[in-house]
Amino acid sequence: DAKTTQPPSMDCAEGRAANLPCNHSTISGNEYVYWYRQIHSQGPQYIIHGLKNNETNEMASLIITEDRKSSTLILPHATLRDTAVYYCIVREDDYKLSFGAGTTVTVRA
Amino acid sequence: AAGVIQSPRHLIKEKRETATLKCYPIPRHDTVYWYQQGPGQDPQFLISFYEKMQSDKGSIPDRFSAQQFSDYHSELNMSSLELGDSALYFCASSLGLAGLTQFFGPGTRLTVL
Repeated sequence: DAKTTQPPSMDCAEGRAANLPCNHSTISGNEYVYWYRQIHSQGPQYIIHGLKNNETNEMASLIITEDRKSSTLILPHATLRDTAVYYCIVREDDYKLSFGAGTTVTVRA
Repeated sequence: AAGVIQSPRHLIKEKRETATLKCYPIPRHDTVYWYQQGPGQDPQFLISFYEKMQSDKGSIPDRFSAQQFSDYHSELNMSSLELGDSALYFCASSLGLAGLTQFFGPGTRLTVL
């Protein structure tokens, strides 16, 4: 069973913020939300992760709802190089990453 | 910063041949994960090692085996190759099982003819 649900695709204008939603309604208390992205056929790239609080790093911000049932990844100023498949992953107790069907983000000039 | 190294980057084999893929984790990382990504598919977990012991196992065929060595590098051995084994194989490493963040290598593209 997929633990996360993401829209299959979305477009974003270059220079604008991209907001990527993810639903994880069955998340348990000790499970983290991870975001990775994969630019065509390259190795998945770690973006950010969080447990309860909102997080920000040089790449993105992660907003997690208070009930932890959903989250949003924010790319503040999307560039053409941000075109990729974005995966929202709930990290299970056995530590492996279970990739579901992510969101294909296309940034347009 | 040093990243995960995988070799070879590309490999072409015939059916029923064997292949060995190598992974060198980020220095001081002691946990290695292997993932397989078929054409048009999402990465799928195969197997992981922590401190040279198998820590978890996914949908890895019996024809595949893997190990982690004393220097923490890992090798994925694939025998009796089938056409369906053609895929990208990614290795990731982390610091400890509870190290949370896995960092991925560039992958090995295996083509079975």
